[in-house]
Amino acid sequence: SQKIEQNSEALNIQEGKTATLTCNYTNYSPAYLQWYRQDPGRGPVFLLLIRENEKEKRKERLKVTFDTTLKQSLFHITASQPADSATYLCALAPQRGYNKLIFGAGTRLAVHP
Amino acid sequence: DGGITQSPKYLFRKEGQNVTLSCEQNLNHDAMYWYRQDPGQGLRLIYYSQIVNDFQKGDIAEGYSVSREKKESFPLTVTSAQKNPTAFYLCASSINQGLSSNQPQHFGDGTRLSIL
Repeated sequence: SQKIEQNSEALNIQEGKTATLTCNYTNYSPAYLQWYRQDPGRGPVFLLLIRENEKEKRKERLKVTFDTTLKQSLFHITASQPADSATYLCALAPQRGYNKLIFGAGTRLAVHP
Repeated sequence: DGGITQSPKYLFRKEGQNVTLSCEQNLNHDAMYWYRQDPGQGLRLIYYSQIVNDFQKGDIAEGYSVSREKKESFPLTVTSAQKNPTAFYLCASSINQGLSSNQPQHFGDGTRLSIL
């Protein structure tokens, strides 16, 4: 069956450290993968998109990698801050064509001062 | 400011009642989407629309209906046939560029629906 999985346990880290979140998928061949941030009671906010032919993408303190062999994407936040505390969702486009996304359940990140 | 507005923020439904959730966008996006979010689960697609006067069922369309009479608006009706409607409902929009579309989705801040 097709699945997209994120670690359901919250990730707790100390301020200033690098947070690494994982997104694994099975039985998909996504054309691209996206990461979103969601705060409690709010809608998700788009952060980064990475295509299947890209290994890595960066934006300020954020870095995303995409390994189509391992069927995995890693999302890194360097020099983390308490304001980075939120739930992070990965989403993939299961096929080329229109913009239909499959979302993971998200991983909650808590950055402690 | 461009964005997506969902209303109301909280909604209560009585047994046997249909309720309609509003979604309006001023981003000039062609594509719009409705998702349902339950605790511990990913967003699940209810309906989506690529263009005005056209929409398709998503993965969990049963008990829901939509219309797309205007580009800016994509209301969702939760009918009495939806037996477990309690959830957080999210509306989103994106630029629709056809077969090469890979655009991010822009979300509203959701409507939380509960049963009375």
